[in-house]
This record gives sequence, structure tokens and C-alpha cells, in this order.
Amino acid sequence: DVKVTQSSRYLVKRTGEKVFLECVQDMDHENMFWYRQDPGLGLRLIYFSYDVKMKEKGDIPEGYSVSREKKERFSLILESASTNQTSMYLCASSLTTDAYGYTFGSGTRLTVV
Amino acid sequence: AQTVTQSQPEMSVQEAETVTLSCTYDTSESDYYLFWYKQPPSRQMILVIRQEAYKQQNATENRFSVNFQKAAKSFSLKISDSQLGDAAMYFCASEIQGGSEKLVFGKGMKLTVNP
Repeated sequence: DVKVTQSSRYLVKRTGEKVFLECVQDMDHENMFWYRQDPGLGLRLIYFSYDVKMKEKGDIPEGYSVSREKKERFSLILESASTNQTSMYLCASSLTTDAYGYTFGSGTRLTVV
Repeated sequence: AQTVTQSQPEMSVQEAETVTLSCTYDTSESDYYLFWYKQPPSRQMILVIRQEAYKQQNATENRFSVNFQKAAKSFSLKISDSQLGDAAMYFCASEIQGGSEKLVFGKGMKLTVNP
């Protein structure tokens, strides 16, 4: 089974801190994605990557950056955390050729205080 | 641009009954995929069922089936013989074939199953 692992399930950070959310997948998927999930707003795409060192902005990239130095790892960075970035963050991966949608990680619930 | 709309934020069903979750989408593409995902409380989002737009036959996975109406751009999920474990958030999503591999999600619907 494909596994997508997010390093932290729950995280509490202070305003202004630099925050790293890590995501690792173990099935050689080319595509990786970061979404945030908020009640009533569904899933909103922050950034995605089709390949190592490649990244593209999603719908809400402001205040975030990403890094993909290795194929299996996709990191989301909050440059200076703010309270409005308190949310559930979901990582996902997919294989370009199979059109079977995403495999998701378990999510990281981030609280910025 | 693709959009996916789930108009009902919440629904409830009695155990063993049947419930239908609605979803509409908008796309100008002819080839695309449609998905239903389930997110149980505090648990991982998992794929429930997928439909290829070029296939007229509705997809079925055990107690889960879809009613795909391509002309109406409608993609509803029917859950038969509802079980307590079906209680979850359900998200409808679409993906353009050969496109950017991005899924576009609806806002989700919370399903409660009453014993």
C-alpha cells in the first residue's frame, strides 16, 4: 500500500515562528500536493510539485513556500506563522499515469498562538 | 476552470437505510475523472469510488454506487445499508485527464449515521 506520512499529527507554534511541515511518500509518486482544510471551505490547494525541485503555486500560496529536494519528500514552510494559518494541513501524492486520484497523509493540525 | 459544488453541508441517515449525497461540477473538458473521498473523524482521507467521464456505466464499489449524469454534470453518491462506520465528511472531486493532475474539491458534506 502507498503510504504518505506527515511527520506531526498536532503542532502548536507561536506567531512569527518559521514552521516546517514534512511529508514523505514511499511509492515513487511524481506528484505531491499540500492542501489546507478549514470547516466550510473544504480543501484549498497551497502548492504542488510534479518533480524534484519543481513547484507550482496553488490557489492560496501567500505566506507559504515549499521544498522538494528529493522525490519522496515535500515540505511546506510557513515563513512567519500567523494565527490565520491555524488549520488542518493535508499532504497528498499521486502517480501521473494512473488517474486514481490522491493518496493522503493523516494530516497535521497546526495551531498558531 | 473546474468547479465542484456540494450544496448540502450536512445530512443524516438511519442505520441500514440508503442515503444519496449530491455533487455537481462544471468543466469545459470532455475527458475527466470524478471521485468521492471519505474522511472519518480524526482519520485519513480515503478514496471511496471513482468514475471515468467517458464511461457511461455508473461505478459501483460494494455498498457505494454513483449516479453519473454527464449532460447534467451531476455525480451523486448512493450509500446503501448505511453503517455507523460510514459517518464521516464526504468530499466530491474532479480531475482533468491529461491535465495538471490537480484535484478540485467540493466543500464537503458531513454525514451522520443514527443507530
